Amino acid sequence: GAVVSQHPSRVICKSGTSVKIECRSLDFQATTMFWYRQFPKQSLMLMATSNEGSKATYEQGVEKDKFLINHASLTLSTLTVTSAHPEDSSFYICSARAPEMAGNTEAFFGQGTRLTVV
Amino acid sequence: AQTVTQSQPEMSVQEAETVTLSCTYDTSESDYYLFWYKQPPSRQMILVIRQEAYKQQNATENRFSVNFQKAAKSFSLKISDSQLGDAAMYFCAYISGTSYGKLTFGQGTILTVHP
Repeated sequence: GAVVSQHPSRVICKSGTSVKIECRSLDFQATTMFWYRQFPKQSLMLMATSNEGSKATYEQGVEKDKFLINHASLTLSTLTVTSAHPEDSSFYICSARAPEMAGNTEAFFGQGTRLTVV
Repeated sequence: AQTVTQSQPEMSVQEAETVTLSCTYDTSESDYYLFWYKQPPSRQMILVIRQEAYKQQNATENRFSVNFQKAAKSFSLKISDSQLGDAAMYFCAYISGTSYGKLTFGQGTILTVHP
């Protein structure tokens, strides 16, 4: 159990276009999901907290209009990178918390998405 | 705000030997959890071990064990009988008891295992 699926695993897009990344909890309901960004050989930096049925909470310095987050159901959160530029190229990872499992301590990760903007 | 610090950007170990990865953290909370995650070249995050702050006993998972020093806010990971498959980037992470899955990560340590 507790599987999080992230799609696509890799995407290449042209500069100026938008790209959507999906994060799905396959066997549990996730009221809260998290989106991280990771540069090569660096740590995961939290971008935003995605809450089902409400607006996402963004970390300081993250552009809300560039990184649109939607959490329309208990099993799906999406991150849309709008008007992508080469500097948006990175590895994006989602995680989900299952409140009914192991208290508040479990976070289950997707496989990540490598975004390349050309 | 909580912070997690890993002061070893890179470590190396010989196969079958033991290595310890360091981690310190800073928090004013009493209810929290600490984790070590492994990120292999596939970049999938894999939970290695978890420690509840209220537990004095150090967590152990097979060849992986932690040395949790709460007063010193230290949380090191010991890998015994290192294997080639242990080569990865390791992250120390913190969750507040009230933050519902929101992880704060350290900078990471790249572990190389030599045959």
